[in-house]
Amino acid sequence: SQQGEEDPQALSIQEGENATMNCSYKTSINNLQWYRQNSGRGLVHLILIRSNEREKHSGRLRVTLDTSKKSSSLLITASRAADTASYFCATDMDSNYQLIWGAGTKLIIKP
Amino acid sequence: KAGVTQTPRYLIKTRGQQVTLSCSPISGHRSVSWYQQTPGQGLQFLFEYFSETQRNKGNFPGRFSGRQFSNSRSEMNVSTLELGDSALYLCASSKGQRSGNTIYFGEGSWLTVV
Repeated sequence: SQQGEEDPQALSIQEGENATMNCSYKTSINNLQWYRQNSGRGLVHLILIRSNEREKHSGRLRVTLDTSKKSSSLLITASRAADTASYFCATDMDSNYQLIWGAGTKLIIKP
Repeated sequence: KAGVTQTPRYLIKTRGQQVTLSCSPISGHRSVSWYQQTPGQGLQFLFEYFSETQRNKGNFPGRFSGRQFSNSRSEMNVSTLELGDSALYLCASSKGQRSGNTIYFGEGSWLTVV
């Protein structure tokens, strides 16, 4: 079963605006990762945040993690058309190395 | 270095046939995972191999099987294909030795069952 739940399922914004996606999970985790998938392609790793971290930045990406609420958010600032993709969160919560995936948020950036 | 390579990229099969998909991981990666992705369904975990051993398995019927070779290359097989098996099959590799490893995906194999 899916552990992560992304919210919203779909998001459409104008180029230049900021996009925020959320991920909630059910059990304690070791790490949470965000991946991007362009239509019909493989997934690309964006950022990993560990359970003892609260915020992490990478270029225009900002990820926060709130372990008390079991949730994470991904903020993309100054969005571009090339950011149009689906975004997935994945958690690993125990020692068997298996990642648990959310259903994804489909982001559309309108020019 | 070369990324994860999946072959074939596209294939069409008939109901009842079987199919074998291949995955070559990044050099030095010993873990290979397989996922099924259907429209609107997200990623469904099939199985994961590490050093030729199946380490994890998802909730799929026995028609779905896989294996890993000594060079870490992996294959997955689906027997007695059903229309519902039409999907994008993704392979991913990682070093796999500890929690928090980044996994790297191939471009996937698009399977259409008619």
